[in-house]
Amino acid sequence: DIQMTQSPSSLSASVGDRVTITCRASQGISNYLAWYQQKPGKVPKLLIYAASALQSGVPSRFSGSGSGTDFTLTISSLQPEDVATYYCQKYNSAPGFGPGTKVNIK
Amino acid sequence: EVQLVESGGGLVQPGGSLRLSCAASGFTFRNYAMSWVRQAPGKGLEWVSGISGSGGSTYYADSVKGRFTISRDNSKNTLYLQMNSLRAEDTAVYHCAKVPFLEWLSWFDTWGQGTLVTVSS
Repeated sequence: DIQMTQSPSSLSASVGDRVTITCRASQGISNYLAWYQQKPGKVPKLLIYAASALQSGVPSRFSGSGSGTDFTLTISSLQPEDVATYYCQKYNSAPGFGPGTKVNIK
Repeated sequence: EVQLVESGGGLVQPGGSLRLSCAASGFTFRNYAMSWVRQAPGKGLEWVSGISGSGGSTYYADSVKGRFTISRDNSKNTLYLQMNSLRAEDTAVYHCAKVPFLEWLSWFDTWGQGTLVTVSS
């Protein structure tokens, strides 16, 4: 089974900061990777699919990159409404999620 | 507007059974694969099961294989999850999630609010 890891597990940053979250697969998954945002008490929301494609309606400050085993989600300018837990998900085979990265405002 | 509304959760004893439903609206249900994804209290996301748009292909996580059965009724725009031999570790909010394609292996573009399943004596 391919395992997904994320780093860091949590972070605090200031409004306007550039934030980068890393997701790593234990084996290559090409670009079969999605990113979700889950705000406290809410349902997960799709941000990115195919590693770098922005879902319709998602602000352009969110971007994704990577291929193979290493992927990143970048928030170019952190906003207060971005406080959430972010999950990566592989879908080259049975879907699997990373453990999540909790983002807070400093 | 695409909507997914789950129901059927509740408190059940270990070894018991429960059937979850997910009513879909706002899209042509039969044209899209669907999945169930669960989230234990305070924990991360875990994919549970998936089904193709036709219902002809089904898939399960190893943790539920042989105990859970996914199905769909395209005439009723409804997805189901029959859960048998429930264990304490099955306690979670169960979300149904829509796949943007006919076949199951993909990301999830829409999620329901979820229904809570608690397995406890």
